[in-house]
Amino acid sequence: SQELEQSPQSLIVQEGKNLTINCTSSKTLYGLYWYKQKYGEGLIFLMMLQKGGEEKSHEKITAKLDEKKQQSSLHITASQPSHAGIYLCGADELRGRESEKLVFGKGTKLTVNP
Amino acid sequence: EPEVTQTPSHQVTQMGQEVILRCVPISNHLYFYWYRQILGQKVEFLVSFYNNEISEKSEIFDDQFSVERPDGSNFTLKIRSTKLEDSAMYFCASSEARGGLNTEAFFGQGTRLTVV
Repeated sequence: SQELEQSPQSLIVQEGKNLTINCTSSKTLYGLYWYKQKYGEGLIFLMMLQKGGEEKSHEKITAKLDEKKQQSSLHITASQPSHAGIYLCGADELRGRESEKLVFGKGTKLTVNP
Repeated sequence: EPEVTQTPSHQVTQMGQEVILRCVPISNHLYFYWYRQILGQKVEFLVSFYNNEISEKSEIFDDQFSVERPDGSNFTLKIRSTKLEDSAMYFCASSEARGGLNTEAFFGQGTRLTVV
């Protein structure tokens, strides 16, 4: 089955700094999702990437899926305390109609110090 | 903005008791899911539900679990005889189209279940 490894496990940055979180898959990614989770709360959908080389941005967050579709990165520019939380990558386990479930990485805990 | 809502936010139950976790998916969504997250571990898929039947389930989703859509709006997860290891955050999710076809799922806030 597919495994997603996220790095780093946790990250502490000063407000205003840029940062990158990585998600590496053991298999080809057919759909890659980034979610944000605040401690003890639900998962907030951020972005979905499908195609190799694809890049999407929302406000100060940019996510990319590499050409080989086995790694994605999430980049935050000029981080703010509101960016703090746990960032999870999730992937469609199998291509197309074969499975409906998402598999998730363990998450990266981001702390932004004012 | 439409959202998935879950109740209760926190439930404490005695081992062996039955619990029902409730979810109201986004109104025009057709596919519904339950996931769980044991403290410190990954979010894990439990079950997906479409057209009033289970479409996929994981090995975690054994006979003690069941799901139901009792009316047009609610989607429930029942755990028949809770065990200590069922303690986790349970997330409900819904999507417009079938998962696995690059369709984003929207998650609720979760129900924290504590079995004592």
